[in-house]
Amino acid sequence: LAKTTQPISMDSYEGQEVNITCSHNNIATNDYITWYQQFPSQGPRFIIQGYKTKVTNEVASLFIPADRKSSTLSLPRVSLSDTAVYYCLVGASGGSYIPTFGRGTSLIVHP
Amino acid sequence: DTAVSQTPKYLVTQMGNDKSIKCEQNLGHDTMYWYKQDSKKFLKIMFSYNNKELIINETVPNRFSPKSPDKAHLNLHINSLELGDSAVYFCASSQFLSGNYGYTFGSGTRLTVV
Repeated sequence: LAKTTQPISMDSYEGQEVNITCSHNNIATNDYITWYQQFPSQGPRFIIQGYKTKVTNEVASLFIPADRKSSTLSLPRVSLSDTAVYYCLVGASGGSYIPTFGRGTSLIVHP
Repeated sequence: DTAVSQTPKYLVTQMGNDKSIKCEQNLGHDTMYWYKQDSKKFLKIMFSYNNKELIINETVPNRFSPKSPDKAHLNLHINSLELGDSAVYFCASSQFLSGNYGYTFGSGTRLTVV
């Protein structure tokens, strides 16, 4: 079970790029890295998923170094509506897999 | 169309009562989950069902009993409610029992025990 470590909170301003790093030192070969976003009074929402190198979609980019022991979620030009909690999840298929989200990173975007 | 729906959204009840939370998904997923989120935003898995079979049963009190009548439904029944049970409970589903395919969450049920 790959345990993840993220900063508890981050602050930013509108228009800035925000990078949130997640450490997962004991990631297994079959594990994928997935990031979720949670707004108040809502359930977490899938943002992006990757295995290695870089993945980009319309919402964010995910950077994964060669050793895969960490990953960085990059949010370009954040707005107030990006204020949320961001969770890093590491895991793979299998009957023994227990998806563990942890506490996440609370991002506050200021005007 | 709501992909994962939970009812009720809010639930206020007294200590000692028995209550149920219902969850339904219309995504055709094989696996469903119950998570508990405390006031510190820690999201902890409680149960997982794959095709109506219990797969994951984390350390939760026996007062919590999940029931899956079919693979589209996973209900959570809680007996003898305690103050510490107050939290937001999320239902989720995924296509496979894995982290590779992403989870779809419901909007949560905020349970307050008084």
